Amino acid sequence: QKEVEQNSGPLSVPEGAIASLNCTYSDRGSQSFFWYRQYSGKSPELIMSIYSNGDKEDGRFTAQLNKASQYVSLLIRDSQPSDSATYLCAVNPSYGGSQGNLIFGKGTKLSVKP
Amino acid sequence: DGGITQSPKYLFRKEGQNVTLSCEQNLNHDAMYWYRQDPGQGLRLIYYSQIVNDFQKGDIAEGYSVSREKKESFPLTVTSAQKNPTAFYLCASMMGWNEKLFFGSGTQLSVL
Repeated sequence: QKEVEQNSGPLSVPEGAIASLNCTYSDRGSQSFFWYRQYSGKSPELIMSIYSNGDKEDGRFTAQLNKASQYVSLLIRDSQPSDSATYLCAVNPSYGGSQGNLIFGKGTKLSVKP
Repeated sequence: DGGITQSPKYLFRKEGQNVTLSCEQNLNHDAMYWYRQDPGQGLRLIYYSQIVNDFQKGDIAEGYSVSREKKESFPLTVTSAQKNPTAFYLCASMMGWNEKLFFGSGTQLSVL
């Protein structure tokens, strides 16, 4: 069974700090990695995708991928109260006939305190 | 505006009843998906369809059925065989390989 593991949190950071969210995955052949943000009662929204080792930056968000360690992380700089949400890590496994057959972690709940 | 429309937003099911959740997209996407989310849990794949008139079981298909008669529509039926149907159901679509997965706004299904 392919798995994606995340610390459920809650992770609490003060406004303006860096929030660091981590995810590990079991399928060594995985090629695509995604971070979704989900507000309570709402649907997930894609905020970052990463496909190769290293860092990818988009505004206040940085995704980091280390395939050798099977580890992907999301850094949120200058955290704002509006960043308070559950962050889902999703991995596209090396099996399966459709790219949308993502395996999702259970999510990390982030709380940014003013 | 293009997007995915799920209806209803809230749905209640009686014992032994089948209920159908609607999902319509006007994004011209080929692939469509149904996920189930339980509180504090990640998303689990129920069914997916890559082309019209074809669909595949996901990880938790038992007690569910789907159809894909039109590219725009992918309804999900929760049958009476699904003994624990209470969950948040999400429909999603994708244009092609390795593209962004778009989600609808979800349907919260509860048992009366």
